[in-house]
Amino acid sequence: DAGVIQSPRHEVTEMGQEVTLRCKPISGHDYLFWYRQTMMRGLELLIYFNNNVPIDDSGMPEDRFSAKMPNASFSTLKIQPSEPRDSAVYFCASSPSFDSPLHFGNGTRLTVT
Amino acid sequence: AQSVSQHNHHVILSEAASLELGCNYSYGGTVNLFWYVQYPGQHLQLLLKYFSGDPLVKGIKGFEAEFIKSKFSFNLRKPSVQWSDTAEYFCAVNIASGTYKYIFGTGTRLKVLA
Repeated sequence: DAGVIQSPRHEVTEMGQEVTLRCKPISGHDYLFWYRQTMMRGLELLIYFNNNVPIDDSGMPEDRFSAKMPNASFSTLKIQPSEPRDSAVYFCASSPSFDSPLHFGNGTRLTVT
Repeated sequence: AQSVSQHNHHVILSEAASLELGCNYSYGGTVNLFWYVQYPGQHLQLLLKYFSGDPLVKGIKGFEAEFIKSKFSFNLRKPSVQWSDTAEYFCAVNIASGTYKYIFGTGTRLKVLA
């Protein structure tokens, strides 16, 4: 079991550019979560999917953020256009059921200059 | 709205000192409770969990937590900390009411001095 795999590990981009973060959940896990971690706000749930369907996206900051899960083994979080305040560590996590512990990826550290 | 509060943002202890980190949640229904740990530069890992049964649960590395329903609390404890326990600790609540919610506290940074 390779765990949850995120790419890239680090992303540095200029304001206004499009950023795409990627996640491969653990095989067989039906739930996938995207979290954002900052010093000010801690861990914020952005969106989660169940069986590839977005269930709750109320945490997505604004229309600049979008997330997709085209199949059970892949999800993307896109920011377009990016802004300096989007700088954070973005974690993807998966779980086999709604009441199971989450398995986190290593995160993507995004810096927007 | 449901929330999770961790009142200690930063804790500094010497090795062998006892640890207790507070966690309170605001939700009147059934919850599942978790503590996660994030070592420097790493991702979050599960430390322990409570679903039902004995309110005192034991996790990895000598950690334990006690669920007190009347106080909406799930405090984390360790009798004697080690330098390697330096990390950030997150309390989390899983609520299956209406839309499924998985809410994290803001975390407590623990530094253990050798």
